[in-house]
Amino acid sequence: QLQVQESGPGLVKPSETLSLTCTVSGDSISRSVYYWGWIRQPPGKGLEWIGSIYYSGSIYYNPSLKSRVTISVDTSKNQLSLKLSSVTAADTAVYYCARHNLGGTYYFDYWGQGTLVTVPS
Amino acid sequence: SYELTQSPSVSVSPGQTASITCSGYKLGNKYTSWYQQKPGQSPLMIIYQDNKRPSGIPERFSGSSSGNTGTLTISGTQAMDEADYYCQTWDSSTVVFGGGTKLTVL
Repeated sequence: QLQVQESGPGLVKPSETLSLTCTVSGDSISRSVYYWGWIRQPPGKGLEWIGSIYYSGSIYYNPSLKSRVTISVDTSKNQLSLKLSSVTAADTAVYYCARHNLGGTYYFDYWGQGTLVTVPS
Repeated sequence: SYELTQSPSVSVSPGQTASITCSGYKLGNKYTSWYQQKPGQSPLMIIYQDNKRPSGIPERFSGSSSGNTGTLTISGTQAMDEADYYCQTWDSSTVVFGGGTKLTVL
């Protein structure tokens, strides 16, 4: 059974870089035909896509975050990572990792439980 | 940039049919997915490719899409269906989510 787990610091200081890891088990990222994406959700608000990556390195980013975001994949560890630079209180959110079908239908079918990251104001 | 618009809230009585709409320019020409999110939980995909249900999703959930509107329909709504619902599509190499609709089962 596919499992997705986000991990990383729960508190990040303003102007610093947020770093999160997503560990996938039950499937190999490098054998998969799927992309893997990051989505965030500020407290009490809606979902915002951050970006999606294929194991080969092909990446799509949300244009509104692209200048501050780096997504990478480590196939040896079956992990993907997210870095968001120059964070502010507006980046406080639950960050989710999810499997992303980009083979024509574009849905997210497996989600992690999410991890809350707080940036104090 | 492409936008998806959802009504903030919809109310329905138990056993009745709830319709949640998602509007976007020529949305019917794209694929729409729907997600259910209950408090404190991760989103759960309940409809993909406009009208397909993943394994394990009850038949009372159905989807359709035409013109500028995608619709999630919940037939025989149950109390357990009270949740936030989000539509999602793909446009110009970006993922777009609707703002979400809170479904209240009165």
